[in-house]
Amino acid sequence: NAGVTQTPKFRILKIGQSMTLQCTQDMNHNYMYWYRQDPGMGLKLIYYSVGAGITDKGEVPNGYNVSRSTTEDFPLRLELAAPSQTSVYFCASSYSGSGRGDTDTQYFGPGTRLTVL
Amino acid sequence: DAKTTQPPSMDCAEGRAANLPCNHSTISGNEYVYWYRQIHSQGPQYIIHGLKNNETNEMASLIITEDRKSSTLILPHATLRDTAVYYCIVAHTGTASKLTFGTGTRLQVTL
Repeated sequence: NAGVTQTPKFRILKIGQSMTLQCTQDMNHNYMYWYRQDPGMGLKLIYYSVGAGITDKGEVPNGYNVSRSTTEDFPLRLELAAPSQTSVYFCASSYSGSGRGDTDTQYFGPGTRLTVL
Repeated sequence: DAKTTQPPSMDCAEGRAANLPCNHSTISGNEYVYWYRQIHSQGPQYIIHGLKNNETNEMASLIITEDRKSSTLILPHATLRDTAVYYCIVAHTGTASKLTFGTGTRLQVTL
């Protein structure tokens, strides 16, 4: 299993440009998440999905959109890039999010480092 | 979600045990304690989790106090590759496991 894969690894955008960060998992996990991590800070949840066709906002959703048409894929869309969106973006997945612990372990991808100039 | 408190940094000599403390005094009865680590610039990596009992796996041991207000992650024989930021997280029981990452403890393992 490849686990969670993310593309691209690095990207530089100009202000106002758009892009999609790709995330794919091959573990048949129901739950998927997008986090951002600013320098020296912890991760902040942007959006999450509990299954195909179902998404919900996290702590910092403004400026982003997501969709979940398949179990495997959970792309993150930036419509009008701003310098404040310069960050490292991590995608993660888990079998469930039931709160029972054992099946909630999140597995993270390697990240996408985005710079907006 | 219960808040966690961790020291910002710790040092450990290679080959010795690394004991990383975490305070979670407001934890509720159905919240789990999770530990993740992040090696420089990589995605966070799951280490271990527990509810009430002490837990051990191939990576580490987790000791949870009887009142559940604090816990300690133990890396029994730290190596240079264990240098990372370690996050103690209390997971909210709900419809999604939304982990809240603080700033963690930066563990530096030295020769």
